[in-house]
Amino acid sequence: DGGITQSPKYLFRKEGQNVTLSCEQNLNHDAMYWYRQDPGQGLRLIYYSQIVNDFQKGDIAEGYSVSREKKESFPLTVTSAQKNPTAFYLCASSIEAPFGYTFGSGTRLTVV
Amino acid sequence: AQSVTQLDSQVPVFEEAPVELRCNYSSSVSVYLFWYVQYPNQGLQLLLKYLSGSTLVKGINGFEAEFNKSQTSFHLRKPSVHISDTAEYFCAVSDRAAGNKLTFGGGTRVLVKP
Repeated sequence: DGGITQSPKYLFRKEGQNVTLSCEQNLNHDAMYWYRQDPGQGLRLIYYSQIVNDFQKGDIAEGYSVSREKKESFPLTVTSAQKNPTAFYLCASSIEAPFGYTFGSGTRLTVV
Repeated sequence: AQSVTQLDSQVPVFEEAPVELRCNYSSSVSVYLFWYVQYPNQGLQLLLKYLSGSTLVKGINGFEAEFNKSQTSFHLRKPSVHISDTAEYFCAVSDRAAGNKLTFGGGTRVLVKP
């Protein structure tokens, strides 16, 4: 079955460490997105990529980095510069407008 | 830039009662509208979408939504809810100027009581 796989589902890291969240899709979608979700704040866009080897900052890109070396993969690195990294992270992908997104099941990151 | 407002952050409702979740967006020439549902610790699942045509859109699980261009609204309704409808619901909008990039509302948490 086609879909988006995010791993791991739960991730714990010490403060000051970088951590990379995985997102893989086999839907042949061109565009991929990373969102951060905090209670009561909805979804906020971190980064998005509409084509391989190209990506753009979203609304809250500070402290995060991404790469898009393959169409299927869009990993997100949460760096030590991110002031408050504990959150639920969602990856999504889409074909061209206007058909909406397909979401992964999310990664809950806890920094202690 | 688009903005989306979900007017109710929480909606308690009794089982088998109707529910309406309100969504308003900022005006644009041509928009596409979506409702997603999120169960605890899961990703978002598409409930329904409005692209063009009939303003009443039917989705999965008995949900429907009505697009009202003059009021820039896209309210979600279900005539009779089940316990399993307890979840968070997100309204989202995209427009041609933004490509396929969606802007989400803050979410409405629905709690269905027996």
